[in-house]
Amino acid sequence: DTGVSQNPRHKITKRGQNVTFRCDPISEHNRLYWYRQTLGQGPEFLTYFQNEAQLEKSRLLSDRFSAERPKGSFSTLEIQRTEQGDSAMYLCASSNAGMGYTFGSGTRLTVV
Amino acid sequence: QQQVKQSPQSLIVQKGGISIINCAYENTAFDYFPWYQQFPGKGPALLIAIRPDVSEKKEGRFTISFNKSAKQFSLHIMDSQPGDSATYFCAASRLSSGTYKYIFGTGTRLKVLA
Repeated sequence: DTGVSQNPRHKITKRGQNVTFRCDPISEHNRLYWYRQTLGQGPEFLTYFQNEAQLEKSRLLSDRFSAERPKGSFSTLEIQRTEQGDSAMYLCASSNAGMGYTFGSGTRLTVV
Repeated sequence: QQQVKQSPQSLIVQKGGISIINCAYENTAFDYFPWYQQFPGKGPALLIAIRPDVSEKKEGRFTISFNKSAKQFSLHIMDSQPGDSATYFCAASRLSSGTYKYIFGTGTRLKVLA
C-alpha cells in the first residue's frame, strides 16, 4: 500500500485544450473524492464516488468537468476546453468509513 | 451556514512554544471536525480529529479543544518544533450521501523558529 497516487504531478496546458488526471486510491478504500485547491485557500469539494457510482457533484463542477471511476478502482478527472480559472491543485482522496480521508499529493494544473 | 472561519492566517512561534489555531463554524449539523497538515507540494495529511460529544482530544503534542455552544474549535501544538512548520487546515463535515464531505477553513501558515 503506497497511499493515494496521482498523475501527472504537474500539467501545463494552453487555454482551450482538454486535460485528464488520474487517481489511484488506496486499494481497500471504496470511497474516492476529488477536491480543488487554489493558492492560499483550503481544498473545495468537487465530487465523490462510492465504488463506481458517482454519488455527489459540487456546483463547482461545471459541464466542462467530468469524472469517472470505472470498476470502482482508479478514477479520472477530465477538464474540457480549459480556462485560466481552472488553474489549481487537483487533489484526490480515498477513505473506507467516510471519515479521515487520505489525500494524494495532487496534480498542479497551470493553464496559459 | 456552510463556512468555516479560520484564524490567524499566519503564525510565527519560537521553538518550544505553543501554537494555537482557531476555527469557527455555523452549521450545527456538522459532527466531525478534522485538522490537516500540509507541506509545500504535498497533499493535506490528517493530523487529528474530534466529534462534538468530546470537549478535548489529545494525540502526542497535538490537542483539539472543542466548544460546542460557541461553535468553535482549536488546535494546540505543544512544544512546537521547526518540523511543524506547515500550513494547517481545519475542516467541518457531516454525513451526506453515505460519506463525510469536508468544508475546509482557509488555512494557517505556521512558522516555527529554531
